[in-house]
Amino acid sequence: DQQVKQNSPSLSVQEGRISILNCDYTNSMFDYFLWYKKYPAEGPTFLISISSIKDKNEDGRFTVFLNKSAKHLSLHIVPSQPGDSAVYFCAARNAGNMLTFGGGTRLMVKP
Amino acid sequence: DAGVIQSPRHEVTEMGQEVTLRCKLISGHNSLFWYRQTMMRGLELLIYFNNNVPIDDSGMPEDRFSAKMPNASFSTLKIQPSEPRDSAVYFCASSLKRADEKLFFGSGTQLSVL
Repeated sequence: DQQVKQNSPSLSVQEGRISILNCDYTNSMFDYFLWYKKYPAEGPTFLISISSIKDKNEDGRFTVFLNKSAKHLSLHIVPSQPGDSAVYFCAARNAGNMLTFGGGTRLMVKP
Repeated sequence: DAGVIQSPRHEVTEMGQEVTLRCKLISGHNSLFWYRQTMMRGLELLIYFNNNVPIDDSGMPEDRFSAKMPNASFSTLKIQPSEPRDSAVYFCASSLKRADEKLFFGSGTQLSVL
């Protein structure tokens, strides 16, 4: 039973446009959400996070939105750049401080 | 700091053989996590340690898997005997404190069991 799901395995976007990556979760006890970015042959690296008491967090070109009623979060990248091409994982933290990851979405930004 | 260091980067072995994956934590970090990445299940947590003590190993798939932290900076994940379905990328990650969700990952070990 996957508690964190990323239903789009891949996404292709033109350089300069907006990339929107989506993530759904089922456990209402999750209190903190994160996005990690992974390049080939490297481990995931932390990108941005949001607490469950907020609905938006912004860091430069990256914004994470949280809709608790829908149990949905999204990552917006504006403008998208070719260097953003990577696999993006969303993750959620439970009361036991454990992270549960989604399956990942491969983003391809075309020049 | 060199970050989390994993070895080997790639491992190819035959079914039934023992496999040992190694991980060196970032100096000063006291929590260690082992994850497995597969196409079907994404990133799965296998086990995590805090201050060298295993806290949660509920993600370890079978008794064939075992993990140790002989000291504060080093961990091993052993699979014995290995099976083709164990083929995956295995990551270890460390954090500064137990409740820190900002994990630092190693580059992973690509395991292929033939």
